Amino acid sequence: KQEVTQIPAALSVPEGENLVLNCSFTDSAIYNLQWFRQDPGKGLTSLLLIQSSQREQTSGRLNASLDKSSGRSTLYIAASQPGDSATYLCAVTGNQFYFGTGTSLTVIP
Amino acid sequence: EAGVAQSPRYKIIEKRQSVAFWCNPISGHATLYWYQQILGQGPKLLIQFQNNGVVDDSQLPKDRFSAERLKGVDSTLKIQPAKLEDSAVYLCASSLEGGAGGGNQPQHFGDGTRLSIL
Repeated sequence: KQEVTQIPAALSVPEGENLVLNCSFTDSAIYNLQWFRQDPGKGLTSLLLIQSSQREQTSGRLNASLDKSSGRSTLYIAASQPGDSATYLCAVTGNQFYFGTGTSLTVIP
Repeated sequence: EAGVAQSPRYKIIEKRQSVAFWCNPISGHATLYWYQQILGQGPKLLIQFQNNGVVDDSQLPKDRFSAERLKGVDSTLKIQPAKLEDSAVYLCASSLEGGAGGGNQPQHFGDGTRLSIL
């Protein structure tokens, strides 16, 4: 069974700092990996989707990378802002769809 | 583009009662997903529909949970009877397509229904 782990569970950074969130998975037979953002009391917002044949995707200040062979993905957030404060979840699509437990990010003004 | 609509937003019931949740996906989205998110955990897929057929319901507790997707559009998820451990947020999501495992289209989520069992 696929296991998806996100480290750290919580992270606080001062505004303007660049940061990296990590996601690891145990089964490399995946179709894609997706990064989501979840605000309190809300559903999930898709940030980036990386196909299994791709190595990275970029959207604005966000860059996600995928290394299938090592079972890892990173989400890089440049020049963090207080509005980036949220929980970030990664999810892998293989034979089933598995989410990690998330990293709670707080950006301090 | 209208997003995924879910109702109700909150529901409080006693254990052993029944409850139903409703989801209206984004127009034109063939695939619909129901997830259970327990506090502090990532969402867990309960069931995935492709149009009105079930693609994956391997993690759905079928003795108490049921779901249907009428005419390949709206969907309802029912719990009968509810247990204390069913307290969670129930999220609905949809995507343009998605075969087994979810395909390669991003999923769009509703705001969820927060269920509390007393």
